[in-house]
Amino acid sequence: DQQVKQNSPSLSVQEGRISILNCDYTNSMFDYFLWYKKYPAEGPTFLISISSIKDKNEDGRFTVFLNKSAKHLSLHIVPSQPGDSAVYFCATTLRSGGYNKLIFGAGTRLAVHP
Amino acid sequence: SQTIHQWPATLVQPVGSPLSLECTVEGTSNPNLYWYRQAAGRGLQLLFYSVGIGQISSEVPQNLSASRPQDRQFILSSKKLLLSDSGFYLCAWSVRGDTQYFGPGTRLTVL
Repeated sequence: DQQVKQNSPSLSVQEGRISILNCDYTNSMFDYFLWYKKYPAEGPTFLISISSIKDKNEDGRFTVFLNKSAKHLSLHIVPSQPGDSAVYFCATTLRSGGYNKLIFGAGTRLAVHP
Repeated sequence: SQTIHQWPATLVQPVGSPLSLECTVEGTSNPNLYWYRQAAGRGLQLLFYSVGIGQISSEVPQNLSASRPQDRQFILSSKKLLLSDSGFYLCAWSVRGDTQYFGPGTRLTVL
């Protein structure tokens, strides 16, 4: 049973436009969310995070929005650049046995074309 | 600053052979360490985590084991590889916070 869902396996966006990547979660107890970016044959790179006490966090071209009532978060990239083409993973943390376990979605492959 | 290393970067092994993947972290002390696997076309699955030397917890039953002989060293092993062990193996670290930072990964192909 997937606790974090990224229902769009892929997304294609034109350079300069906005990319919107979506993520849904099932457990209202989740209180911290992260986005990672992954290029092929490389480890994921941390992008941006948001705590449940906020509904928006912005870092340069990246903004994450959190809608707790809908159990939904999204990552906005604007303007999109070809170098943003990668797989994006949404994740949340679950505190278990004294450490924070990351639960990942299946990822969305973003392609930004000229 | 902190860095995390994994080796080898790629590995091709026959079924039934042993495995040893190594991960080391620099620039931090007493990190939490993690092993993940990404199977083809799938998300990241947590395999093991460690909160200290000699302390290993397994998330899923499998053909693999992990060890942490030193504070900043995490090793993933198998006595006999299966075809299903193929995948991209990632080591990660965190300190106190929720954010985990990943290494470059090892691509394992079992033939």
